[in-house]
Amino acid sequence: EPEVTQTPSHQVTQMGQEVILRCVPISNHLYFYWYRQILGQKVEFLVSFYNNEISEKSEIFDDQFSVERPDGSNFTLKIRSTKLEDSAMYFCASRGLGDTQYFGPGTRLTVL
Amino acid sequence: RKEVEQDPGPFNVPEGATVAFNCTYSNSASQSFFWYRQDCRKEPKLLMSVYSSGNEDGRFTAQLNRASQYISLLIRDSKLSDSATYLCVVNEDSSYKLIFGSGTRLLVRP
Repeated sequence: EPEVTQTPSHQVTQMGQEVILRCVPISNHLYFYWYRQILGQKVEFLVSFYNNEISEKSEIFDDQFSVERPDGSNFTLKIRSTKLEDSAMYFCASRGLGDTQYFGPGTRLTVL
Repeated sequence: RKEVEQDPGPFNVPEGATVAFNCTYSNSASQSFFWYRQDCRKEPKLLMSVYSSGNEDGRFTAQLNRASQYISLLIRDSKLSDSATYLCVVNEDSSYKLIFGSGTRLLVRP
């Protein structure tokens, strides 16, 4: 069964450093998403992406964040200068023509 | 007002019990509705979509009441493996961004 994959599974970084989280969506999917979940809190929408551009972004997704689909398979989330409060699980999701989103296993980001 | 509201639980039930979870959502324009299951420190996994006509998948039954903006999930004959957090999720608009509730934790004991 096709699945969304994410790397790395855990990323530890120093405050102020840049991180890139990588995702490989399901191959025939067209719509891509990033969500985050701070420990003990609910899953929050960050950004949606379609046809090589951002469709919608939340208030959380400020200028420190960017997304890119650099090739036909990867979908990346970059945080330019990490803050302590960026520590969270980051989930990538993809969707085909239906309304169901399939989530990757997540990257746990720890900012020290 | 919270966009998607759930009782956080935990619901602690014996194996074989029937348990029901409820959820309310604030945006009457919401288009699609789901129950996801999340195990500790794992990704949300789709349990089932929810339709106005109601739908059933084995031991799981979901209902949607658009007039009351209310979604329910019923689990019959609970198994130990049903222990997880159940997330009520709503899609609000054409971008299909998902709005998650905080989840209801279920513990099924032997």
